[in-house]
Amino acid sequence: AQRVTQPEKLLSVFKGAPVELKCNYSYSGSPELFWYVQYSRQRLQLLLRHISRESIKGFTADLNKGETSFHLKKPFAQEEDSAMYYCALRGVGGNKLVFGAGTILRVKS
Amino acid sequence: NAGVMQNPRHLVRRRGQEARLRCSPVKGHSHVYWYRQLPEEGLKFMVYLQKENIIDESGMPKERFSAEFPKEGPSILRIQQVVRGDSAAYFCASSPGDRGGEKLFFGSGTQLSVL
Repeated sequence: AQRVTQPEKLLSVFKGAPVELKCNYSYSGSPELFWYVQYSRQRLQLLLRHISRESIKGFTADLNKGETSFHLKKPFAQEEDSAMYYCALRGVGGNKLVFGAGTILRVKS
Repeated sequence: NAGVMQNPRHLVRRRGQEARLRCSPVKGHSHVYWYRQLPEEGLKFMVYLQKENIIDESGMPKERFSAEFPKEGPSILRIQQVVRGDSAAYFCASSPGDRGGEKLFFGSGTQLSVL
C-alpha cells in the first residue's frame, strides 16, 4: 500500500529562518515523490518533483530511500512562502497520486 | 487556456438528494482524477478516468458514488442520496497522458455541504 505521512499540521517560523517540512512515505516499489503547494485563494499546484532534482522558489527536496523521506527545505523563509504544502507519492508506472494530510507553513515577520 | 474548470464552486444539498459535480479538464487533456478533502484530512484519491473509461476507482465508496468522463463534455462525479458525511471539498485534476513524472493540473474544487 502507498502511504504518505506529514507529521506536522502547522509549522510556524520567522522570516529568514530555515524551513523543513517533513514527509515520510511507505511504498514497496520505486516511488516518484512530489511537493504540491496551495497559496491562499489559489489552486493546488506542483512545486517540485524528485526526478527533476530542481530548486523552485529556493525550495529543495531530496529523496532518501533509506529513511523513506522526502523533506522539503528552504534555508531562508519568506512571508510569501506561507501556504499549505502537500507531499505526494506515485508508484513508478502508476497513475494516481497519494497525498499526505498537508502542512500549513506560516512565516511571520 | 483556462485550466481545469469545476462547477459549481459551492453546492448545498439536503440529505437524500443527488449531487452532480462537473469537471472540464485542461484542453487536450484526456486523463481526469477526482479527489476528496475532508476537514482536517488530506486529499484522498477517489477515481481516475480516461475518455469513456474508468481506469482506477479504488478510492470510490462502493455505493452511491459514480463517475464518468464521456467522449464529449465534462467529467461528472455523481453522489446519490447524499448524507452529512459526504460534506467535503471535491477536487478534480487533469493530465495530458500517463507518462511517469507528469504533473497534475488541479481545479478550484467544489465545496459540497449536506444539510
